[in-house]
Amino acid sequence: AAGVIQSPRHLIKEKRETATLKCYPIPRHDTVYWYQQGPGQDPQFLISFYEKMQSDKGSIPDRFSAQQFSDYHSELNMSSLELGDSALYFCASRVLAKNIQYFGAGTRLSVL
Amino acid sequence: DAKTTQPNSMESNEEEPVHLPCNHSTISGTDYIHWYRQLPSQGPEYVIHGLTSNVNNRMASLAIAEDRKSSTLILHRATLRDAAVYYCILRDVVLREGAQKLVFGQGTRLTINP
Repeated sequence: AAGVIQSPRHLIKEKRETATLKCYPIPRHDTVYWYQQGPGQDPQFLISFYEKMQSDKGSIPDRFSAQQFSDYHSELNMSSLELGDSALYFCASRVLAKNIQYFGAGTRLSVL
Repeated sequence: DAKTTQPNSMESNEEEPVHLPCNHSTISGTDYIHWYRQLPSQGPEYVIHGLTSNVNNRMASLAIAEDRKSSTLILHRATLRDAAVYYCILRDVVLREGAQKLVFGQGTRLTINP
């Protein structure tokens, strides 16, 4: 069965650079969630999109932005990267009326 | 979001049952109890969820107390592949569409001994 695809799997950036993370949800899933997991921490919700509209927002820095496109894939754009942005970034997708989120394998971002 | 409390860690032996407890004394009537787990170096994975009645699936069973203030995730025969962090999460069923984020608490780190 198709799963949530995230790319790239690993990303190394310098401070103050920008990064774009991509998420391809499971086909026919209409909601995408982004989570950040710092080293030794639990996943923290960043932002979500339902039918291409932002539906909820968590502790996402102003330097980050995200959107969901017409084909339902989503991108998380991160600017002015800081050392503290080094983390695993997970994307999850969900289909309407099903109360289960399916997670991708994550993108490991390292900011040097 | 209503809060859950889980033990930091638990240890069990392979092929033995494991009972993972979760306390949620402030649960509301519209909160579902969800369990997710995160295996090392992987994204979280759905395990099971329920509202009031006990639930079974191919991965686990969920036993919910009659007053719903606690629940227990049961792995009937643990394997080494069940070693993970297990999260008990409450989700309000009446939230508007797309607003049903997962709020991960501390979780229980389960170690399985061969």
